[in-house]
Amino acid sequence: DTGVSQDPRHKITKRGQNVTFRCDPISEHNRLYWYRQTLGQGPEFLTYFQNEAQLEKSRLLSDRFSAERPKGSFSTLEIQRTEQGDSAMYLCASVRSGSGELFFGEGSRLTVL
Amino acid sequence: GQQVMQIPQYQHVQEGEDFTTYCNSSTTLSNIQWYKQRPGGHPVFLIQLVKSGEVKKQKRLTFQFGEAKKNSSLHITATQTTDVGTYFCAGREGSSNTGKLIFGQGTTLQVKP
Repeated sequence: DTGVSQDPRHKITKRGQNVTFRCDPISEHNRLYWYRQTLGQGPEFLTYFQNEAQLEKSRLLSDRFSAERPKGSFSTLEIQRTEQGDSAMYLCASVRSGSGELFFGEGSRLTVL
Repeated sequence: GQQVMQIPQYQHVQEGEDFTTYCNSSTTLSNIQWYKQRPGGHPVFLIQLVKSGEVKKQKRLTFQFGEAKKNSSLHITATQTTDVGTYFCAGREGSSNTGKLIFGQGTTLQVKP
């Protein structure tokens, strides 16, 4: 059990650029969640997958955000045409089948200038 | 949509004093979880409560789930400096152990030695 891995850990980009984050869940965890967290707030739900199927996406998420989990293992979260309001920590978490406990990665911190 | 609220937002205590944080949901929950996030860290799972009126203890921590499954509390007896961090409750709607987990905004605990 190597834990949930996220890459990159930090990303600084200019407004209007696209960014992509990768999450490698714990092996054999079938569910994978993406959250966004800003300073002083709790994690905000973005989307989640069960295996390769994206089962729910937050209505707060604009069309600039897209997530994939093509083979039911790693996942990517892409943000197109970034805005300063996208600056946040993007957290990935995975869950073992039959369990409810989320195992979080260290997060990917995005700064949009 | 579902909302989860926590109070207080901040709490400063002297080491050895007790601490309680309260969590309220706008809807009935299937279960509630508690997480702890240390400064600069990621959320770490503490416990899950499922049954109406359930009480669970972990050493100095006592967790309760309300009879109506809409509120919960975390009580820490005789706080220590190692208890410093932000405590989040997170709830799921419906009757399953899957689906999105909605986090409260957290209670940040500071402990003065």
